[in-house]
Amino acid sequence: EDKVVQSPLSLVVHEGDTVTLNCSYEVTNFRSLLWYKQEKKAPTFLFMLTSSGIEKKSGRLSSILDKKELSSILNITATQTGDSAIYLCAPNLYSGAGSYQLTFGKGTKLSVIP
Amino acid sequence: SQTIHQWPATLVQPVGSPLSLECTVEGTSNPNLYWYRQAAGRGLQLLFYSVGIGQISSEVPQNLSASRPQDRQFILSSKKLLLSDSGFYLCAVRGGLLAQETQYFGPGTRLLVL
Repeated sequence: EDKVVQSPLSLVVHEGDTVTLNCSYEVTNFRSLLWYKQEKKAPTFLFMLTSSGIEKKSGRLSSILDKKELSSILNITATQTGDSAIYLCAPNLYSGAGSYQLTFGKGTKLSVIP
Repeated sequence: SQTIHQWPATLVQPVGSPLSLECTVEGTSNPNLYWYRQAAGRGLQLLFYSVGIGQISSEVPQNLSASRPQDRQFILSSKKLLLSDSGFYLCAVRGGLLAQETQYFGPGTRLLVL
């Protein structure tokens, strides 16, 4: 059975702090790993990682994949209150005939206080 | 770019009543479509996916069903709702040619079964 574990489950930090969110996975037919941000609505896409060791960066957010360790991290520097959200990790699995399926972790709930 | 519409946005239904949630997509043709449910305290769970009209794959046995009567329309239904069907229902579409391994989510429907 495919398994995705995110840690910590929740995190409270002060504005300006740097945080690291973790995702580990045990899945079959792994193709890539996606990160999403979910506020009080639908998840929005952040990153897709396909190669080990290559950092993807967008502003204060960055992420990297380690295929050997079956894990990924999401870093947020100089956090702001607007970063408060649930961050979801989702390995992308190839399901045949050109189809892909995402398997989601339960997420890390980040709360940034002023 | 693709746009996903879902309705209704919120719904309160009694146990045993029927359900019909609709998802429509604009800006793409022959999309891969997905239904997810996010229950309180749980991760996003894939319910159904469809690679074309009339083609539905079910991931989790339950009292829900899905149909795809038109290329860009995906419907989630139930004949008799259970309390455990409460949750946040999200429709997703697979990305276009340059983002085939990415999924983008619609705004979602919050369902409360009483």
